[in-house]
Amino acid sequence: NADVMQNPRHLVRRRGQEARLRCSPMKGHSHVYWYRQLPEEGLKFMVYLQKENIIDESGMPKERFSAEFPKEGPSILRIQQVVRGDSAAYFCASSPIVTSGRGSSYNEQFFGPGTRLTVL
Amino acid sequence: TQLLEQSPQFLSIQEGENLTVYCNSSSVFSSLQWYRQEPGEGPVLLVTVVTGGEVKKLKRLTFQFGDARKDSSLHITAAQPGDTGLYLCAMKGSGTYKYIFGTGTRLKVLA
Repeated sequence: NADVMQNPRHLVRRRGQEARLRCSPMKGHSHVYWYRQLPEEGLKFMVYLQKENIIDESGMPKERFSAEFPKEGPSILRIQQVVRGDSAAYFCASSPIVTSGRGSSYNEQFFGPGTRLTVL
Repeated sequence: TQLLEQSPQFLSIQEGENLTVYCNSSSVFSSLQWYRQEPGEGPVLLVTVVTGGEVKKLKRLTFQFGDARKDSSLHITAAQPGDTGLYLCAMKGSGTYKYIFGTGTRLKVLA
């Protein structure tokens, strides 16, 4: 999935600083997911966005975390006043919506390489 | 809280052996995906299944979605060292775009 870009690949922040993670989806995709992955664990859903619209943010912590996907430019996951517990790998997934023959829809997700955040 | 359990958690086998990994939930889902993730990289989509009882094949990999749409299995025939990785299943409920990922099966195939 080399066409899904995330930067930076590695980010080190001190407690209390802000972290900004960027995701550029595949060309033509207008939907983005953000996930968090702790070592030796699966992925935890954070937020699902369309361009200029947050569809589902039920997995986002209520404080310090925000996400956006503007009309132009990458999607951004912003973490304010980072704490050590925010250290993790953060992945975005770019997605079109696919309609199956039975009329139901699902999202094929193409993941980026991730941003590994370390909070000192 | 929806939970998706995968088993086994870890699996180490010799090249050429067959294996099956499982993905189980107490909830019914509308679609299921399997991914493989290698260290330091993002997951790569292997397959999407949407119909209960559906079976899909991808070379030496066979994926099955349970009739009740609550479980799935991945069978690998004649495993190779290149199959080594973390295998994740992910399910989506009806009327939602949210995907729940399983706990993962970490597979190691020894040459």
